Amino acid sequence: GIQVEQSPPDLILQEGANSTLRCNFSDSVNNLQWFHQNPWGQLINLFYIPSGTKQNGRLSATTVATERYSLLYISSSQTTDSGVYFCAVERTAGGTSYGKLTFGQGTILTVHP
Amino acid sequence: EAQVTQNPRYLITVTGKKLTVTCSQNMNHEYMSWYRQDPGLGLRQIYYSMNVEVTDKGDVPEGYKVSRKEKRNFPLILESPSPNQTSLYFCASSRGGAGYGYTFGSGTRLTVV
Repeated sequence: GIQVEQSPPDLILQEGANSTLRCNFSDSVNNLQWFHQNPWGQLINLFYIPSGTKQNGRLSATTVATERYSLLYISSSQTTDSGVYFCAVERTAGGTSYGKLTFGQGTILTVHP
Repeated sequence: EAQVTQNPRYLITVTGKKLTVTCSQNMNHEYMSWYRQDPGLGLRQIYYSMNVEVTDKGDVPEGYKVSRKEKRNFPLILESPSPNQTSLYFCASSRGGAGYGYTFGSGTRLTVV
């Protein structure tokens, strides 16, 4: 199956700092999502980004599908950004889903005031 | 509001007492699935369904049952829960296929004593 590796595993920042999280995947994928798991355990969808670049406020993401990686940028970090960030990928065949997301192990982000 | 609703959010039960975790989506999605999240093991798929009356095993199906009698609902059944099923459970749904991401429920934290 597809392997998904995220780096770094842990990241500690001061409020206001910028950061880049990386997701590498072992095979071609058709779907890629970034999630934020907040301290209450909820998985919040940040981006659906199988290719290209998207921005949403202080967050942006870029996926280079041909090189099998995706990056999540967090600018001017805030304490509320703390939590675990997951990358998840899915393969499809002929436009049909196999019905499964494969998750990386996550990056634990801690933002100090 | 488009969402995936799981109930209950928290549940403590005893070994062997049958329980059902409900999942409902209001987006008319074809695909639904269940994941469990455990420390050190990440998120793993339990079961998935690509349409009504169509279900299939994920990576860790042992000890679980599912049914998909109607499109919007996908309950997870633990007929005889054991302590090793203590976990954080997520239901997810998608339109399916390339071009569509997954929406996750808020999670159910289950403790089996």
